[in-house]
Amino acid sequence: DADVTQTPRNRITKTGKRIMLECSQTKGHDRMYWYRQDPGLGLRLIYYSFDVKDINKGEISDGYSVSRQAQAKFSLSLESAIPNQTALYFCATSDLGGDTDTQYFGPGTRLTVL
Amino acid sequence: GQNIDQPTEMTATEGAIVQINCTYQTSGFNGLFWYQQHAGEAPTFLSYNVLDGLEEKGRFSSFLSRSKGYSYLLLKELQMKDSASYLCAVRDSNYQLIWGAGTKLIIKP
Repeated sequence: DADVTQTPRNRITKTGKRIMLECSQTKGHDRMYWYRQDPGLGLRLIYYSFDVKDINKGEISDGYSVSRQAQAKFSLSLESAIPNQTALYFCATSDLGGDTDTQYFGPGTRLTVL
Repeated sequence: GQNIDQPTEMTATEGAIVQINCTYQTSGFNGLFWYQQHAGEAPTFLSYNVLDGLEEKGRFSSFLSRSKGYSYLLLKELQMKDSASYLCAVRDSNYQLIWGAGTKLIIKP
């Protein structure tokens, strides 16, 4: 079984709709992250959480919100989707106690906003 | 501003060696990562460098020079399955990862 899972894997929605992307992990990691990836650009950090009570904005948080429901679950919401939020979204986790704090990624959610 | 530079695309031949360069300008340095990403899939961790020098891991090696803001990923005995994008990322003084846009590596028979 995959250590980091994301649902849904693909989603097509319309402008103005509210969308939630979910991420779950069985790695037991404290830290969780949401990124988006666009063609020709590096991964960009949307939000990150170092534990259940800690939520931080990343580079491009406008238009997004998150919820850390448990150590293992971190969801990303688009309150009112717009076409330029069409992208590949990745959840990642890392281990606060690890030597390198390496990030491990889920399979991604491909979101299309029409 | 913070910047990670990598070539956009490289082509190499099966069985050969290829070196993918990464230069960075970041506010602080707390380690450099290389990831492999096949098209439409998740990035997967390849290597981590925090001290100057070469880290070898099977067919893949990664080098770091902090004074030059430079790293490279060396792939030996190239296989067709090595066709992928290779992402360079630097952890800055705020412990955030700054990502390069990635180098698409095309392997030809």
